[in-house]
Amino acid sequence: EPEVTQTPSHQVTQMGQEVILRCVPISNHLYFYWYRQILGQKVEFLVSFYNNEISEKSEIFDDQFSVERPDGSNFTLKIRSTKLEDSAMYFCASSAQGGGNQPQHFGDGTRLSIL
Amino acid sequence: GENVEQHPSTLSVQEGDSAVIKCTYSDSASNYFPWYKQELGKGPQLIIDIRSNVGEKKDQRIAVTLNKTAKHFSLHITETQPEDSAVYFCAASRSNNNDMRFGAGTRLTVKP
Repeated sequence: EPEVTQTPSHQVTQMGQEVILRCVPISNHLYFYWYRQILGQKVEFLVSFYNNEISEKSEIFDDQFSVERPDGSNFTLKIRSTKLEDSAMYFCASSAQGGGNQPQHFGDGTRLSIL
Repeated sequence: GENVEQHPSTLSVQEGDSAVIKCTYSDSASNYFPWYKQELGKGPQLIIDIRSNVGEKKDQRIAVTLNKTAKHFSLHITETQPEDSAVYFCAASRSNNNDMRFGAGTRLTVKP
């Protein structure tokens, strides 16, 4: 069964450094998402992406965050200057269709630890 | 915005028993309600979903019910097995809004 893959599985970064989290969505999917889950808290929506544009973002997704689809297969989340509170699990998801009421398929996440 | 509440936070059942997890939502415009299962070290896996034009949906041992009037939906697992042990999340979203809101999760333990 096709799946979303994320790398690395665990990233340790010094506060203030830039970090890039990578995702390969399911190949025929056109809609891509990033979520985060701080330890012990809910999974939170960050951003959705379609047709090389951000289609929606939450209040969490401020200027330190950016997303990119640098080629036909990868989808990345960049955090420009990491803070301690950015420590969390980051999940990438994709869906074949958009509109908010479509099944989203998640990767296994990247655990980001900021020191 | 949408707020999804989920309970219980933990649930322990004997193998073979049924398990029920309940969620409520606040936005009456929400029309899509997926359930995810998350095993240790893995991402959320979609196990079943329901749309607002349907009151109940079943897939083998798993069923979901939706009460639009009361704004709540439930996951029912029958004949539980140890491999059903995981954290289960409900979520809600609506058309033209990709901001899917999740419940806090229920840790289900099935004792052999």
